[in-house]
Amino acid sequence: NAGVTQTPKFRILKIGQSMTLQCAQDMNHNYMYWYRQDPGMGLKLIYYSVGAGITDKGEVPNGYNVSRSTTEDFPLRLELAAPSQTSVYFCASSYRRGVEDTQYFGPGTRLTVL
Amino acid sequence: GNSVTQMEGPVTLSEEAFLTINCTYTATGYPSLFWYVQYPGEGLQLLLKATKADDKGSNKGFEATYRKETTSFHLEKGSVQVSDSAVYFCALRAGSEKLVFGKGTKLTVNP
Repeated sequence: NAGVTQTPKFRILKIGQSMTLQCAQDMNHNYMYWYRQDPGMGLKLIYYSVGAGITDKGEVPNGYNVSRSTTEDFPLRLELAAPSQTSVYFCASSYRRGVEDTQYFGPGTRLTVL
Repeated sequence: GNSVTQMEGPVTLSEEAFLTINCTYTATGYPSLFWYVQYPGEGLQLLLKATKADDKGSNKGFEATYRKETTSFHLEKGSVQVSDSAVYFCALRAGSEKLVFGKGTKLTVNP
């Protein structure tokens, strides 16, 4: 299994540009998540999905959109990039069953908005 | 709301030193508690977890005990190695809620 994969690894955007961060998992996990990690801070949840066709907002959803058309893929869309979106973005997935909910993380995408 | 507070870093130790990273939490009900580790340039990996009071999670020489009376889940290792240098995150999940992370503690182990 490849686990959770993310592309690209690095990206520089200009203010106002848009882009899609890709995330895929091959573990047949029902839950998927997008987090951002700012320097010296913990992770903040942007959006999550409990299954194909179902998404919901996390703590910091403004400026982002997601879709979940398949179990495997969970892309994150940035429209009108702003410097405040400079961060490292992590995608994660888990198979939630009762108290069992170990999240598996991708390697991250480092995004800079100038 | 649910929250996690962990000790401020960075923490710098010599190889073979004893490690403690403090973590306390606030949550309704009976949360599950986790320690995640992030090695340089990588995503987070689950290090250990505990799902009920008095449980001890352990992995790779690290241990943490779920203490409900003190609402704590401190991470310990008896003898650290250079390869343990990483950022450590304490986290909780209460019921069907999402994971809540602490801010992370950066550990550097010198040879």
